[in-house]
Amino acid sequence: QVQLVESGGGVVQPGGSLRLSCAASGFTFSFSGMHWVRQAPGKGLEWVAFIRFDGSAKYYADSVKGRFTVSRDISKNTLYLQMSSLRFEDSSVYYCAKDACSSTSCYYFDSWGQGTLVTVSS
Amino acid sequence: QSALTQPASVSGSPGQSITISCTGTSSDVGGYPYVSWYQQQPGKAPKLIIYDVTNRPSGVSNRFSGSKSGNTASLTISGLQAEDEADYHCTSYTTSSTLVFGTGTTVTVL
Repeated sequence: QVQLVESGGGVVQPGGSLRLSCAASGFTFSFSGMHWVRQAPGKGLEWVAFIRFDGSAKYYADSVKGRFTVSRDISKNTLYLQMSSLRFEDSSVYYCAKDACSSTSCYYFDSWGQGTLVTVSS
Repeated sequence: QSALTQPASVSGSPGQSITISCTGTSSDVGGYPYVSWYQQQPGKAPKLIIYDVTNRPSGVSNRFSGSKSGNTASLTISGLQAEDEADYHCTSYTTSSTLVFGTGTTVTVL
């Protein structure tokens, strides 16, 4: 079955950088668009970024545009989120999520990882 | 990209029906048939329960139903059960080719 496993979270100082990874298995990764979604402690969900199945298009929330970069490595079945210029308000659990459609986007997620915690603290 | 507006909390007794609203604008909820809903139990990842406004994934109880009118989408839970206690989040596609979530609603079964 579909499995998504995030890693790379931790504690980082404001202004610092961190790269999150999401290892995918149980489906054809090269056919699936992928999303990053985050959730600050005790808060609601916030969509962060999307990358098309072929990497030809990437979209970002305004709150992270210019600071975060989403990418994928088909050979490793892995999704990445490179985060830089981190701010206190970026502290969240970061989830990777699989788009429900193949070779296009359905704009909803049918599988989620368990998340990785990022804490921005001085 | 302002978050969609949901009530912070909704409660009901077992067996009752409750409705959670999700209000956006014509640039998101009102402009596209791409509203989805997720149920999130404490400490767990969200789970898809409604997609494309009204559709239920296989395996999701038919006690969950979705609808939309204008800029407001709604999730109705009928025959409320103790296991329905959770947080519920709506999301919509937007004119910016992005997605936006709602503020989230905590459902309490009295």
